Amino acid sequence: DGGITQSPKYLFRKEGQNVTLSCEQNLNHDAMYWYRQDPGQGLRLIYYSQIVNDFQKGDIAEGYSVSREKKESFPLTVTSAQKNPTAFYLCASSPLAGRNEQFFGPGTRLTVL
Amino acid sequence: QQQVKQSPQSLIVQKGGIPIINCAYENTAFDYFPWYQQFPGKGPALLIAIRPDVSEKKEGRFTISFNKSAKQFSLHIMDSQPGDSATYFCAASIESGSRLTFGEGTQLTVNP
Repeated sequence: DGGITQSPKYLFRKEGQNVTLSCEQNLNHDAMYWYRQDPGQGLRLIYYSQIVNDFQKGDIAEGYSVSREKKESFPLTVTSAQKNPTAFYLCASSPLAGRNEQFFGPGTRLTVL
Repeated sequence: QQQVKQSPQSLIVQKGGIPIINCAYENTAFDYFPWYQQFPGKGPALLIAIRPDVSEKKEGRFTISFNKSAKQFSLHIMDSQPGDSATYFCAASIESGSRLTFGEGTQLTVNP
């Protein structure tokens, strides 16, 4: 069963704590992405990676960090420096070679108390 | 220049109606325009996409109209059903690039 998995579905953390969101894909896609979704603001790109051991900042990278040690995994860490971390986080992947169709995971809803 | 503007923010239609969602872009280098459908609590799913060499594309009840000179494209849903109630996002990218720029989203409600 191919696809993108994100875990956990819901996550609660206290203010000031770092938290890591998991994203795994078995589609053999080269590129992976992290988006943040807030009501009425669409999807905003946090980080993306086109190849293992390389990644680029998106539009709202401050307060976040990522790693890409394996092709199938792209974890996102929300650090204590992120001022307003409560949001719905979406991971996506896409094959490269000139194709931009992105496939999304089911999302993780993070609530910081 | 990277923005994609989407309207309306919300839309309510009766079953069988034809909701129309519009998007406008500024970057003339964009050459791939997808639409995504998202149900509450789920990730978006690709619905239909168009490239600027055609002015219209149909897939089932969903149609994209594309106006290159006006830098606008729109989604039409024929014979809309309550199951179409969802949030719809337009997006744009450069085919050879790797980033999608998303519109703000339209929350569609189809009443029975």
